[in-house]
Amino acid sequence: QKEVEQNSGPLSVPEGAIASLNCTYSDRGSQSFFWYRQYSGKSPELIMFIYSNGDKEDGRFTAQLNKASQYVSLLIRDSQPSDSATYLCAVNLNDMRFGAGTRLTVKP
Amino acid sequence: NAGVTQTPKFQVLKTGQSMTLQCAQDMNHNSMYWYRQDPGMGLRLIYYSASEGTTDKGEVPNGYNVSRLNKREFSLRLESAAPSQTSVYFCASSELLAGSTDTQYFGPGTRLTVL
Repeated sequence: QKEVEQNSGPLSVPEGAIASLNCTYSDRGSQSFFWYRQYSGKSPELIMFIYSNGDKEDGRFTAQLNKASQYVSLLIRDSQPSDSATYLCAVNLNDMRFGAGTRLTVKP
Repeated sequence: NAGVTQTPKFQVLKTGQSMTLQCAQDMNHNSMYWYRQDPGMGLRLIYYSASEGTTDKGEVPNGYNVSRLNKREFSLRLESAAPSQTSVYFCASSELLAGSTDTQYFGPGTRLTVL
């Protein structure tokens, strides 16, 4: 079992819709959780982090964490074509472990 | 303020050749990291340096060595390149060792091909 698992996609949503990205992790001791966005050919950039159960909102982005079920999700409201990218989930225990990423396409 | 810089951007090596990837950060961060990214595998940690003068192995250290030259610079060396090391290499830095809510900032990457 991979330490951090994501659906590779591609996930396609129409412009203005909500995109939902999911991530599960195997180590119950994981303390903090991150979502990165990576455009094709570019480096990852942090969108947001979360470390407490529940929801955390930042603009159009909401991260959700459920430690009991060992999953993290990212919701993108009012999706825009500029949101088309690969989204990487990362989980920290002693060092950072990344999922393989989910490719999101937002169609105009 | 350039953030994290990496050189070179592209490199082609023959099997058995050696090379050093350079990374520098100007954010006065304590910790630095080297990752490789392969299709379908995500980012995998090769080595990290929690602070100047220390280095530790990550998930996939075999075939690599690192040097934390000073607080700004962290280099990755391939002593005898193999085709399995064909990948995109990212350097990153953070204020603290990755944990809690520490944020890692990534360089632009080096695309390495080993023939």
